[in-house]
Amino acid sequence: GAVVSQHPSWVICKSGTSVKIECRSLDFQATTMFWYRQFPKQSLMLMATSNEGSKATYEQGVEKDKFLINHASLTLSTLTVTSAHPEDSSFYICSAVAGHDPETQYFGPGTRLLVL
Amino acid sequence: SQKIEQNSEALNIQEGKTATLTCNYTNYSPAYLQWYRQDPGRGPVFLLLIRENEKEKRKERLKVTFDTTLKQSLFHITASQPADSATYLCALAKSAGNKLTFGGGTRVLVKP
Repeated sequence: GAVVSQHPSWVICKSGTSVKIECRSLDFQATTMFWYRQFPKQSLMLMATSNEGSKATYEQGVEKDKFLINHASLTLSTLTVTSAHPEDSSFYICSAVAGHDPETQYFGPGTRLLVL
Repeated sequence: SQKIEQNSEALNIQEGKTATLTCNYTNYSPAYLQWYRQDPGRGPVFLLLIRENEKEKRKERLKVTFDTTLKQSLFHITASQPADSATYLCALAKSAGNKLTFGGGTRVLVKP
């Protein structure tokens, strides 16, 4: 139980294009989802907190107009990297919190983004 | 500012020995602390959670201690195996459902 999937697992795009990453909780309803970014040999850095039906809360220094987050249902959150640039190349990971187990975050497998 | 420190140097250990990892934090009053395992190119996998009022937690070959006075958690892998080789991350949260703040992680390499 408590499986979180991400799609795609990796994506290569040209500079200036937008990329959408999906995060799904497969067997539970996620009251909250989090989006992280991880650069090589570094730890996870929280980008934003997403609650179903409300606007995402972004961490300091994260541009909300560049990283659009939509949490349309209790099982799906999407992150769209708009007008991607090479410096946006990173490993993007989502996590989900189940209503019945609010202390544990279940992480997705991550999405590797490479912007050329 | 809040700071979570893990030993950034890789821990090389012989199979069968106990690996001990440290997580220190400052300017933080966490409600609970978690340990995760991360393999290269993969998302973190939850291992153990310990609350502020708990001193020790065990799960199979894993043991976690939490000292809120020292602001430190220790993570032990007993009878280590090569399959335990991975990066281990500690993370703190102020309350249930709250965002996690991660340490930098410690890479463990268990040699046969």
